[in-house]
Amino acid sequence: QFVLIQPPSASGTPGQRVTISCSGSSSNIGRNTVNWYQQLPGAAPILLIFRHDQRPSGVPDRFSGSKSGTSASLTISGLQSEDEADYYCAAWDDRLYGPVFGGGTKLTVL
Amino acid sequence: EVQLVESGGGLVQPGMSLRLSCAASGFAFDDYAMHWVRQAPGKGLEWVSGISWNSANIAYGDSVKGRFSISRDNGKNSLYLQMNSLRSEDTALYFCAKGVFGEAVFDDWGQGTLVAVSS
Repeated sequence: QFVLIQPPSASGTPGQRVTISCSGSSSNIGRNTVNWYQQLPGAAPILLIFRHDQRPSGVPDRFSGSKSGTSASLTISGLQSEDEADYYCAAWDDRLYGPVFGGGTKLTVL
Repeated sequence: EVQLVESGGGLVQPGMSLRLSCAASGFAFDDYAMHWVRQAPGKGLEWVSGISWNSANIAYGDSVKGRFSISRDNGKNSLYLQMNSLRSEDTALYFCAKGVFGEAVFDDWGQGTLVAVSS
């Protein structure tokens, strides 16, 4: 199964704030940077947050990330219908010598 | 504009081989690590393999180690994935991604090429 643990689903109404968690261990999140990806239906993933809390240019500031110990979170403020997508966390794993992903969280905007 | 275009996917029988290619443009290819990430139908993302800018560092996911081989040709701005001894569980959409070696940062992705392994 997946090394990083995410809830399989999350939901919210437009305008709400939603947080998606990502739990790892000392060999991945505990030592390395966490990154988040958004995958819209039928599309390739895009980088949403890198190095815990940095946003690539073009990503709205409604998206934010944080890390504490061996866990990380993605927060979406002011939820919009176009945010309905799958979200994945990822981090390098020193023990496995490679990146590992979470299983993904399907976000539904009600 | 960064472009990553995968090719080489198709339907193959178990045990056979396939070679994927990724043509890169719009950036200095030889400045970046490159990766292959796959997604089985209806499933999540799985990192397959990565290679540093100068090919000095290469890594594979446990599920493909010993069967797949990654390489790159900086003169041709191309990334490759040689897949041998294919299994049904290798069926997936294979994405080429530009990024960093040693971090799970993939800042640009291609649209993917589909590999189906079935008898």
